[in-house]
Amino acid sequence: QKEVEQDPGPLSVPEGAIVSLNCTYSNSAFQYFMWYRQYSRKGPELLMYTYSSGNKEDGRFTAQVDKSSKYISLFIRDSQPSDSATYLCAMTSNTGFQKLVFGTGTRLLVSP
Amino acid sequence: ETGVTQSPTHLIKTRGQQVTLRCSSQSGHNTVSWYQQALGQGPQFIFQYYREEENGRGNFPPRFSGLQFPNYSSELNVNALELDDSALYLCASSLGGRGKMNTEAFFGQGTRLTVV
Repeated sequence: QKEVEQDPGPLSVPEGAIVSLNCTYSNSAFQYFMWYRQYSRKGPELLMYTYSSGNKEDGRFTAQVDKSSKYISLFIRDSQPSDSATYLCAMTSNTGFQKLVFGTGTRLLVSP
Repeated sequence: ETGVTQSPTHLIKTRGQQVTLRCSSQSGHNTVSWYQQALGQGPQFIFQYYREEENGRGNFPPRFSGLQFPNYSSELNVNALELDDSALYLCASSLGGRGKMNTEAFFGQGTRLTVV
């Protein structure tokens, strides 16, 4: 069993929809949680990060962490075709952005 | 653009050969991590270098080795290439230290290695 599980998709939604992306994990030592966006043939780009449990909002994006359930989510409001990409969750038990453990990524397709 | 540059962008090698991939970290960053991303998978941590020393290693065999130079740029070397080594190799740089909080890790665009 992988430490981090993520549905690979693809997830297809119409423009303007609310998108929910999720990951589950098994290692209770994880304390930093990140969401990356990766466009085709590019490196991952950080969208959001959260320390421990709680919610964090940044524009159209909201990240949620529920450590009791070992479950993290990323919500995208008013989705746009430019949001079409692969979304990777990542987490670590170390201090900050190092030795990250990634999910497989969910491919999101937003149609006009 | 993240300021992290990797070279080459694409590479084709034959099984059994050796390869060296290069990474120039973002200005001011002292920590470089390498990840392997197989097709349809998330990146997997290979190892991390902090101030020219290895500072943690993932579940990769010894034929994967690395270096970090005084200017904090880095190399990833893979010996005795296998077909399963075909992947996108990503470099990420950050600012941190042993036992300290590492700042955001910025990724390069990756080197796509194909082993035939």
